[in-house]
Amino acid sequence: DTGVSQNPRHKITKRGQNVTFRCDPISEHNRLYWYRQTLGQGPEFLTYFQNEAQLEKSRLLSDRFSAERPKGSFSTLEIQRTEQGDSAMYLCASSLEGGPAFFGQGTRLTVV
Amino acid sequence: GNSVTQMEGPVTLSEEAFLTINCTYTATGYPSLFWYVQYPGEGLQLLLKATKADDKGSNKGFEATYRKETTSFHLEKGSVQVSDSAVYFCALIGGGGNKLTFGTGTQLKVEL
Repeated sequence: DTGVSQNPRHKITKRGQNVTFRCDPISEHNRLYWYRQTLGQGPEFLTYFQNEAQLEKSRLLSDRFSAERPKGSFSTLEIQRTEQGDSAMYLCASSLEGGPAFFGQGTRLTVV
Repeated sequence: GNSVTQMEGPVTLSEEAFLTINCTYTATGYPSLFWYVQYPGEGLQLLLKATKADDKGSNKGFEATYRKETTSFHLEKGSVQVSDSAVYFCALIGGGGNKLTFGTGTQLKVEL
């Protein structure tokens, strides 16, 4: 598989629970991005990594959100104490430096 | 800050009609401009891009020209097909930046 892979594809959780999503980028890509997309809107940037270093975080990324890319390969996005407003599609993308971003199919989170 | 404005949808066309989806932007520096497409049930795919003024990006019969004087990057196709039905997102990366800023998306429906 040469594309960006995200797991799970769907997640339903109760308010207050913690959730973790995983992203496997295209293998030779050194940059990895997380975006959030709500219905009827375009994706909004959350954070990005170059190799294992997290270089930028959006103000959208509250302290309940944390992202890691421990070995510069796959990444995880954790949301603690989920709220209904966290319901969205979480998108991962990867790229080479200076190259276009390739997106995964996303993880759809529903908080009930 | 950076922003992208694109025409609201849905846009409904008959097969073989001419398509224009308008996109204008505000950005610092000299941005790179992109069109992404999202087919039903699939992830975002890069459709075309342009990295400097007067560049024309093209792919699959779609074209867009980077117009610095009007800060626009309108998407066009001479003859649409039913298979072009999707949501189209205009996006930019600001000069010296790394993250994509997206418009809200325009849904295209092509009917026989």
